[in-house]
Amino acid sequence: QKEVEQDPGPLSVPEGAIVSLNCTYSNSAFQYFMWYRQYSRKGPELLMYTYSSGNKEDGRFTAQVDKSSKYISLFIRDSQPSDSATYLCAMKTGANSKLTFGKGITLSVRP
Amino acid sequence: GAVVSQHPSWVICKSGTSVKIECRSLDFQATTMFWYRQFPKQSLMLMATSNEGSKATYEQGVEKDKFLINHASLTLSTLTVTSAHPEDSSFYICSAEGPRNEQFFGPGTRLTVL
Repeated sequence: QKEVEQDPGPLSVPEGAIVSLNCTYSNSAFQYFMWYRQYSRKGPELLMYTYSSGNKEDGRFTAQVDKSSKYISLFIRDSQPSDSATYLCAMKTGANSKLTFGKGITLSVRP
Repeated sequence: GAVVSQHPSWVICKSGTSVKIECRSLDFQATTMFWYRQFPKQSLMLMATSNEGSKATYEQGVEKDKFLINHASLTLSTLTVTSAHPEDSSFYICSAEGPRNEQFFGPGTRLTVL
């Protein structure tokens, strides 16, 4: 079993839809959780960062962490064609430690 | 969010030459930086962890003599690909650990070895 499992894609939704992206993990030592967006031929962009269970909202994005169930989610409201990209969940155990990534999911938002 | 820059963004070189890629944290100090490579449509692959003032820690299978990493200051890490060959052609991305333990990525450097 991989340490981090991410829902496979690709995912295609109409503009304005609510998108739900999910990852589960097996290592209870993970303490820091991140969601990245990566456009083709670009470096990943940090969208959301959290280190506690619960919800965190930033604009159209909401990150949810449930440490007891070992899953994290990213919700995108009112999705836009510009949201079309690959989304990566990532997590790590502590300061200065390396990230463990999910495989990534490619999202396409149709106008 | 914090900004990480990379230079150059794109480099083409002849086989056998060495190429240096710079990674800078522009508005924060980073004790730890990371170097990744990514092939088209594939996941990021961690190459090494770079700590300021000490030797880098390389992932298994990464040749440390081929990929030289130097982290001489809290805002700069460099990756030198020595004696580059066409199979080293890839997208190289660095990241820097921010003040709250998050990681910020640079825009990447596309290396093409002829």
